[in-house]
Amino acid sequence: QQQVKQSPQSLIVQKGGISIINCAYENTAFDYFPWYQQFPGKGPALLIAIRPDVSEKKEGRFTISFNKSAKQFSLHIMDSQPGDSATYFCAASINNQGGKLIFGQGTELSVKP
Amino acid sequence: DVKVTQSSRYLVKRTGEKVFLECVQDMDHENMFWYRQDPGLGLRLIYFSYDVKMKEKGDIPEGYSVSREKKERFSLILESASTNQTSMYLCASSLYGVSNEAFFGQGTRLTVV
Repeated sequence: QQQVKQSPQSLIVQKGGISIINCAYENTAFDYFPWYQQFPGKGPALLIAIRPDVSEKKEGRFTISFNKSAKQFSLHIMDSQPGDSATYFCAASINNQGGKLIFGQGTELSVKP
Repeated sequence: DVKVTQSSRYLVKRTGEKVFLECVQDMDHENMFWYRQDPGLGLRLIYFSYDVKMKEKGDIPEGYSVSREKKERFSLILESASTNQTSMYLCASSLYGVSNEAFFGQGTRLTVV
């Protein structure tokens, strides 16, 4: 079963626009929600992460919004740039299980100049 | 700088062959993981290890085994390669109990013919 569902599968945004990627999870024991960014030919790298005791976390142009009651979280990329073009994965884990991450299906983002 | 190194970027193997994928990390991390990445499915956990000589099944362990004889090295073994194991394989490592951030290698693209 897919414990973390991610949408959309692909996204095209104009430069300067806002990119929004959504994820939903099922297991209420999850307590850590990271987003990973992957460029072609590279492994994923941590972009930003949130724990469920806060509803929002912002780092530069990247913001995670978290809705615990709806079991949903999303990544917002403000002022999207061509260099943001990559595949983005949401994930979830349980803190005492170390880095055992359950990933969403991935979103391929293309930012057009 | 954190580094996870996978021994091969590309591999082509024949059906029925025994295949070894090697991963080495230089960060003294306790946790190590093997994922496979397929379009539309995201990253799925095959096996993980929290300590030397310790291993646990992930979500899709069938057809795979692992070996962790030293802390820094985690090997994925395909006992008898099949065409449905053609995929991108990603190794990751993380600290135990301190941070959930997983550091990924660059991936091994395996083609089974």
